[in-house]
Amino acid sequence: QKEVEQDPGPLSVPEGAIVSLNCTYSNSAFQYFMWYRQYSRKGPELLMYTYSSGNKEDGRFTAQVDKSSKYISLFIRDSQPSDSATYLCAMRGTGGGATNKLIFGTGTLLAVQP
Amino acid sequence: NAGVMQNPRHLVRRRGQEARLRCSPMKGHSHVYWYRQLPEEGLKFMVYLQKENIIDESGMPKERFSAEFPKEGPSILRIQQVVRGDSAAYFCASSPGGQGNTIYFGEGSWLTVV
Repeated sequence: QKEVEQDPGPLSVPEGAIVSLNCTYSNSAFQYFMWYRQYSRKGPELLMYTYSSGNKEDGRFTAQVDKSSKYISLFIRDSQPSDSATYLCAMRGTGGGATNKLIFGTGTLLAVQP
Repeated sequence: NAGVMQNPRHLVRRRGQEARLRCSPMKGHSHVYWYRQLPEEGLKFMVYLQKENIIDESGMPKERFSAEFPKEGPSILRIQQVVRGDSAAYFCASSPGGQGNTIYFGEGSWLTVV
């Protein structure tokens, strides 16, 4: 079983739709949760960063963490064609040193149709 | 404010040759990470370095791969005697260090072994 599971998609939605992207994980030591966006042949770009459980909102993006269910989500409101990319969830534990290592999901490919 | 700089962006090597990938972290960042992304797979951690020290190399293949981050100059990921299976995107990331710090990625180096 992978430490982090993410539906690879592809996910196709019409412009203006609300997009929901999800990851599940198995390691209860994870405390920091991130979402990255990656365009084709580019590096991952940090979108959202949350610590422990709860919600965080930034513009059209909302990140949710439910540690009791080991489940994290990214919501994109009013999706735009420019949001078309691969979305990667990532997480890590605490304790310094080696726990700076990020564990990634495989990524979900999103296509927003104009 | 320059981000994480990687070069070369694209590299072609014949089987058996050596590949050297360079990474300059963001200004003020003293922690460097290398990740590999194989086709259709997520990002996989390889190694975590601080200046002159390897902190965690648990993701590095046992043979042919090495990494360094000298006191002066960029971090280097070195792959000796490359094989076709080494063809991948190699991403460098950096952080200021310490718990809770976000990790920023470069644009990647695409290695093709022919």
